[in-house]
Amino acid sequence: DQQVKQNSPSLSVQEGRISILNCDYTNSMFDYFLWYKKYPAEGPTFLISISSIKDKNEDGRFTVFLNKSAKHLSLHIVPSQPGDSAVYFCAASGSSVGAQKLVFGQGTRLTINP
Amino acid sequence: NAGVTQTPKFRILKIGQSMTLQCTQDMNHNYMYWYRQDPGMGLKLIYYSVGAGITDKGEVPNGYNVSRSTTEDFPLRLELAAPSQTSVYFCASSPDRNYGYTFGSGTRLTVV
Repeated sequence: DQQVKQNSPSLSVQEGRISILNCDYTNSMFDYFLWYKKYPAEGPTFLISISSIKDKNEDGRFTVFLNKSAKHLSLHIVPSQPGDSAVYFCAASGSSVGAQKLVFGQGTRLTINP
Repeated sequence: NAGVTQTPKFRILKIGQSMTLQCTQDMNHNYMYWYRQDPGMGLKLIYYSVGAGITDKGEVPNGYNVSRSTTEDFPLRLELAAPSQTSVYFCASSPDRNYGYTFGSGTRLTVV
C-alpha cells in the first residue's frame, strides 16, 4: 500500500521555466511533509518542508504548496536551473505514536534542458 | 563536518554470506534510520531507532537486524544474504522527526 505517491516518474523542463513536481498521499494522519533532492551516487538531501497547519512555504526559488482536502502537495522551482536536474522525493510523517519516521514517494526525475 | 558516514560504499556478496553495514553520525542525533532504495522505487524503511538501546522495525525488516549501543552508531546486519537484498542502502539521522533527515552517501550492495 503506497501511502505517498509521485505519479510522474520523470519531468523535463526548459531552463528558466517553472518546474512543478506533484505528490499525493492517502494517510490523513500525516501532518508534516518534506521534499528531498538526490543526485546520482549521493544520499538524498533535505530541500524544504511544510507543516499541515500551513498551505505554503517558500525558500528562495523553491515553494511547497499543501492542499489538505485533496491530500496533495507540490513543489515549484522558479526559475529552473541546470543544477536542479536530480531525482526529487516527497516524504510525509505523522504525529501518532510510533510515527517518528518518514514515508517516501517513488521519486520524480527532473531534467532541466538548456 | 562528517555528518553521516556509511561504510563500505560498494560490496558484492555471495548468496548465504553475512555482512554488517556500518553507519556513524557525529551530530548527536537521537533518531537514526536505515532505508533501502530499489531501482524505480522510493526509499523503504528497514529499521529505525529513537535513541541508544531502542530499535524498531520499519516496513521491510525481514532478513536484517540492527543494534544501537551508542548514540553515534547504528549498524545494519544482513544474515544469509539473498538476491532480493540487492539494493542501495541509506542510513540517516535526525534530531527530531520534524527536522529534515541527514543521509549518508549510501552503500551499493549486490548479492550474487
